[in-house]
Amino acid sequence: DAGITQSPRHKVTETGTPVTLRCHQTENHRYMYWYRQDPGHGLRLIHYSYGVKDTDKGEVSDGYSVSRSKTEDFLLTLESATSSQTSVYFCAISGTKAGGYNEQFFGPGTRLTVL
Amino acid sequence: SQKIEQNSEALNIQEGKTATLTCNYTNYSPAYLQWYRQDPGRGPVFLLLIRENEKEKRKERLKVTFDTTLKQSLFHITASQPADSATYLCALDEATDSWGKLQFGAGTQVVVTP
Repeated sequence: DAGITQSPRHKVTETGTPVTLRCHQTENHRYMYWYRQDPGHGLRLIHYSYGVKDTDKGEVSDGYSVSRSKTEDFLLTLESATSSQTSVYFCAISGTKAGGYNEQFFGPGTRLTVL
Repeated sequence: SQKIEQNSEALNIQEGKTATLTCNYTNYSPAYLQWYRQDPGRGPVFLLLIRENEKEKRKERLKVTFDTTLKQSLFHITASQPADSATYLCALDEATDSWGKLQFGAGTQVVVTP
């Protein structure tokens, strides 16, 4: 596996509480992504980062914020968790290759349950 | 609206046969398309990438075709083995910027029986 870890791996929380998920990479890749995966929807991009302090919104960013203060860490924060944010969250990284076409390497995922 | 469609029904196939999976897209102009494998409880793993100007790509027992006229990619697993049982995801990138943002289909589960 590419050097990507996610923490925590499992979390149960209550509606209205803030939650922060961490993605850590040891590959020194420039690009990092947060996805959520729900049955029938596939992976949907929440936020992504193209460098330290450079982030942007993806397809389903409402209710989420991110930060990247170091190349190796990308944090996803649920500002006030809701039951609709119960999901499996995946972090991915991507490097730079000739032609700019990059495969993504995924972390093991975090299963989040919001009660 | 934009859609990426993969067969939602599981594909059950006998060992040794060829599995063929379909990825159809609507209202996208992908610069390239990727296929990933996902095992239960794990993150997706990259398998193959094919560019818009390529018709076919092969890697060992895997073959991908890309038809931009039909807006379709086919993914073939030849001489399938029980270890090939997994969910296979297609993903496309329109490459409107260089950030590598992918749009994923929901995946098709493949079950290979001995």
